[in-house]
Amino acid sequence: GAGVSQSPSNKVTEKGKDVELRCDPISGHTALYWYRQSLGQGLEFLIYFQGNSAPDKSGLPSDRFSAERTGGSVSTLTIQRTQQEDSAVYLCASSLERTEAFGNEQFFGPGTRLTVL
Amino acid sequence: AQTVTQSQPEMSVQEAETVTLSCTYDTSESDYYLFWYKQPPSRQMILVIRQEAYKQQNATENRFSVNFQKAAKSFSLKISDSQLGDAAMYFCAFAGGTSYGKLTFGQGTILTVHP
Repeated sequence: GAGVSQSPSNKVTEKGKDVELRCDPISGHTALYWYRQSLGQGLEFLIYFQGNSAPDKSGLPSDRFSAERTGGSVSTLTIQRTQQEDSAVYLCASSLERTEAFGNEQFFGPGTRLTVL
Repeated sequence: AQTVTQSQPEMSVQEAETVTLSCTYDTSESDYYLFWYKQPPSRQMILVIRQEAYKQQNATENRFSVNFQKAAKSFSLKISDSQLGDAAMYFCAFAGGTSYGKLTFGQGTILTVHP
């Protein structure tokens, strides 16, 4: 079956521009996570969705970052007024919701490599 | 807050040999899971193995096994009969408590497999 997909795979933008990154989770997966992978900070959690709501946004680094999820499926991560320190690989993951939520396997997409010039 | 530490930035192994990757963690949670994820050059993270903290028996998946020492907060990964396809970045990760399943990752270990 289809895995988690992300688009674009690579994005180059100029400082100050807005960007949108898209994630298509595995069908039926109610939990969706965004992570950021950078040389300086390693792998960091950004935001968690359960259905269309986001009970945990604690990892968003600033108010320039926002995310939404519609129809319990596709999610978009938006970065406004991009800065050079936003350059990183943005990974999306999805998982089935179970009672023991933190034991679920997360299935990752291939990521979007964002470069801010 | 949880922390995960991988003290080996790089490791290497000969094909068919065994290698062990180290991971330590710190948490005040009593119920949690630990994971090893593999990230090949394609960037797509793949789950290798997971361990529930309440289970004393070490998890095993084919050539991959863990040594889970709960009191020492240690969670190492052993890869037996290493194959060229095992070459990748390996991340140790933690999820537990009220974390909604979000993963806290270690810094990663790059594994090179020599033919």
